[in-house]
Amino acid sequence: GIQVEQSPPDLILQEGANSTLRCNFSDSVNNLQWFHQNPWGQLINLFYIPSGTKQNGRLSATTVATERYSLLYISSSQTTDSGVYFCAVVYSWGKLQFGAGTQVVVTP
Amino acid sequence: DAGVTQSPTHLIKTRGQQVTLRCSPKSGHDTVSWYQQALGQGPQFIFQYYEEEERQRGNFPDRFSGHQFPNYSSELNVNALLLGDSALYLCASGDRGAVYEQYFGPGTRLTVT
Repeated sequence: GIQVEQSPPDLILQEGANSTLRCNFSDSVNNLQWFHQNPWGQLINLFYIPSGTKQNGRLSATTVATERYSLLYISSSQTTDSGVYFCAVVYSWGKLQFGAGTQVVVTP
Repeated sequence: DAGVTQSPTHLIKTRGQQVTLRCSPKSGHDTVSWYQQALGQGPQFIFQYYEEEERQRGNFPDRFSGHQFPNYSSELNVNALLLGDSALYLCASGDRGAVYEQYFGPGTRLTVT
């Protein structure tokens, strides 16, 4: 099956810092989603991004489908950005294949 | 606009028992998928229901079964529970057969003792 790799596995940031999370995937996909999982387990949709760049406030994402990777940018990080960030590739009738996630801790 | 809902929130069962988890999709969605998330891992696809039929299935044993009702809500049943079935169970819904963006419910945390 398709492989999804996320890096780095862990990230510690000081409040106000910028960071980039990466997602590599092994095969062509229909689409890609980025999620933030809060401490209670809820997966919150961040981006639905098959290609190109999207921005939502301090977050932005870029997917280069031809090179099989996606990037999530967090700018001016805040403590509320802490949590686990997952990318998931969409293939085979909407089946999502998740990466292992990036655990982000933002310290005051 | 109601989002994806799941019940119950938490559940504690004993090895060998059976459990049923429930999911109501986001308004307007017709496809429901179930995922299992073990501690410290990404969610793993269990199966997907569309038009009241199981359309595709992940690498899970037959102890895991499901159902979709005419109103698009869904149930996940797990028989003969094992300690390893302890996990967060997530339901996702999408429209037009889930070919577009999918949304997740808050999950059901199952503990098997």
